[in-house]
Amino acid sequence: SYVLTQPPSMSVAPGQTAKISCGGHNIGSKNVHWYQQKPGQAPVLVVYKDSDRPSGIPERVSGSNSGNTATLTISRVEAGDEADYYCQVWDSSSYVFGTGTKVTVL
Amino acid sequence: EVQLVESGGGLVQPGRSLRLSCAASGFTFDDYAMHWVRQAPGKGLEWVSGINWNSVNIDYADSVKGRFTISRDNAKKSLYLQMNSLRAEDMALYYCAKDYGSGSYPQVSHFDHWGQGTLVTVSS
Repeated sequence: SYVLTQPPSMSVAPGQTAKISCGGHNIGSKNVHWYQQKPGQAPVLVVYKDSDRPSGIPERVSGSNSGNTATLTISRVEAGDEADYYCQVWDSSSYVFGTGTKVTVL
Repeated sequence: EVQLVESGGGLVQPGRSLRLSCAASGFTFDDYAMHWVRQAPGKGLEWVSGINWNSVNIDYADSVKGRFTISRDNAKKSLYLQMNSLRAEDMALYYCAKDYGSGSYPQVSHFDHWGQGTLVTVSS
């Protein structure tokens, strides 16, 4: 089965940039989607099809995908960005989520 | 406004059954594929099952294949998950999630709206 690997955690200071990686074999050939989940809440879609943003998601949130790594970038990080982030793809009739990254804002 | 409201969770003994429901509103239900995604306590997200708009295409995670059955009633704007032979590892918060599309192009499928979840506890 297809595996998506994310760093378990990362810390970033307010105003800095957070780059969350999602590694998978030849992931650049797939469409990658990203979700934000705050404690006690349901996930929220923040990026779809590698780099598109749903309405209401700020421009400082962006995505890219190439080779074996997809990346979610959050610029000018704010306290409200503190959350778990999951990448997701479709592979062989199954939807696969990444292992998740907990982002802590210092 | 899209709303997804799950129900049917609860405490169940190993080996028993439970049926989850998801009531949808705020969108044309029969235009979209729907999914169940679960999250064990303190763990990550796991896709469980998906069904396309007309119930022709249905898929399951290997972990639930043969035990769980997804279905939908477009007239009632409802999604269901029949869970049989429940195991301790099935204990999780179960989310109902709306697909961005009808399910015809799973390669680009993603989940653009989620419910708040219903908790399934499996314990003797």
